[in-house]
Amino acid sequence: DGGITQSPKYLFRKEGQNVTLSCEQNLNHDAMYWYRQDPGQGLRLIYYSQIVNDFQKGDIAEGYSVSREKKESFPLTVTSAQKNPTAFYLCASSIPGQGRGTGELFFGEGSRLTVL
Amino acid sequence: GENVEQHPSTLSVQEGDSAVIKCTYSDSASNYFPWYKQELGKRPQLIIDIRSNVGEKKDQRIAVTLNKTAKHFSLHITETQPEDSAVYFCAALRGGSNYKLTFGKGTLLTVNP
Repeated sequence: DGGITQSPKYLFRKEGQNVTLSCEQNLNHDAMYWYRQDPGQGLRLIYYSQIVNDFQKGDIAEGYSVSREKKESFPLTVTSAQKNPTAFYLCASSIPGQGRGTGELFFGEGSRLTVL
Repeated sequence: GENVEQHPSTLSVQEGDSAVIKCTYSDSASNYFPWYKQELGKRPQLIIDIRSNVGEKKDQRIAVTLNKTAKHFSLHITETQPEDSAVYFCAALRGGSNYKLTFGKGTLLTVNP
């Protein structure tokens, strides 16, 4: 069953701790993304990766880090430097558009991080 | 960078009525405009998209229109049904960037039976 899987679904963290969110896809997509969703704020891009071993900052990258060692995996680390980490995090993947922009984004079910 | 404004933030309609959600974008180089639907507790899913070389696109009860001159695009849902209730996001992609979609803040649509 093809798709994109995020884990954990819910995560609690104490202030000052780093936490890593997992994102795995078996769609054979080259591009992967991390978005943050806050109420009334839409989806804001944290990081994206066009290909293995390469990634780019999005609009709100401060306090986050990523890696892309394998095509199917794009984990996100929320570091203690992120001032307001409580949010809903969505991972997505896509086949880069055929020379004309991003193809359809396929989203995971999300991970809800709460900082206590 | 690109800025996408979406209105209204909430919309309530009676079943069977039409619903219209509007978005404006700032970057005239943007050329791809998708719409995503997110039902409560679920992941966003693409429902329709339009490219800048087209003025209108329809898919059954949903349609999207694009006015490049005015830099705005709209989602139209006709004969609304309770299962249309969800948050809808518009987005814009700058030509050449390929990967950085900018999303609007979303519209919560409620269809009352």
